[in-house]
Amino acid sequence: QQPVQSPQAVILREGEDAVINCSSSKALYSVHWYRQKHGEAPVFLMILLKGGEQKGHEKISASFNEKKQQSSLYLTASQLSYSGTYFCGTRRGQNFVFGPGTRLSVLP
Amino acid sequence: DAGVIQSPRHEVTEMGQEVTLRCKPISGHDYLFWYRQTMMRGLELLIYFNNNVPIDDSGMPEDRFSAKMPNASFSTLKIQPSEPRDSAVYFCASSYRGGSSDTQYFGPGTRLTVL
Repeated sequence: QQPVQSPQAVILREGEDAVINCSSSKALYSVHWYRQKHGEAPVFLMILLKGGEQKGHEKISASFNEKKQQSSLYLTASQLSYSGTYFCGTRRGQNFVFGPGTRLSVLP
Repeated sequence: DAGVIQSPRHEVTEMGQEVTLRCKPISGHDYLFWYRQTMMRGLELLIYFNNNVPIDDSGMPEDRFSAKMPNASFSTLKIQPSEPRDSAVYFCASSYRGGSSDTQYFGPGTRLTVL
């Protein structure tokens, strides 16, 4: 069963902030975040392994609430280069499942 | 490192033809994944291998699809016979699950069009 992401899509102006949420009805033991630009392959952003963990990559950061079985990705002062589809993913035993993705469009 | 290599990058074929997609994972990685991506279904895991052994092929749509990994540096995904609904971008990804991180590195994908 794949994680759920919200919103499905978001449109921003350059410099605005955005939050993308990822949740699961099953226990989350780790959360991965990937970004896929149009016409390209998904690229790894970060992994959160423990509840309460927060990480950052430039102006993109993420948090992981293990109890609530959810993770959030924060994009601060968005840049045009942030446009793309963001996927969360998680392990399911030996398997790995991605969420449906959130399409982010940053306009000048 | 060259990253994950996939070939061909684009494939156009007619319904009923056999299609073979190829993947070379990153050297030293012990997991290899095949994904299919469409607008309707998103990113779907088809099958994955651990140390060249297929672990879970429950995502393979039907018997027309088959995948092999004869050695640690090569894998194929075959569709025979192909159908228009197989049109999609097929990604191969590899990872190393030593330790706690299992970051997947994706190849550039093969865009398959079945007419």
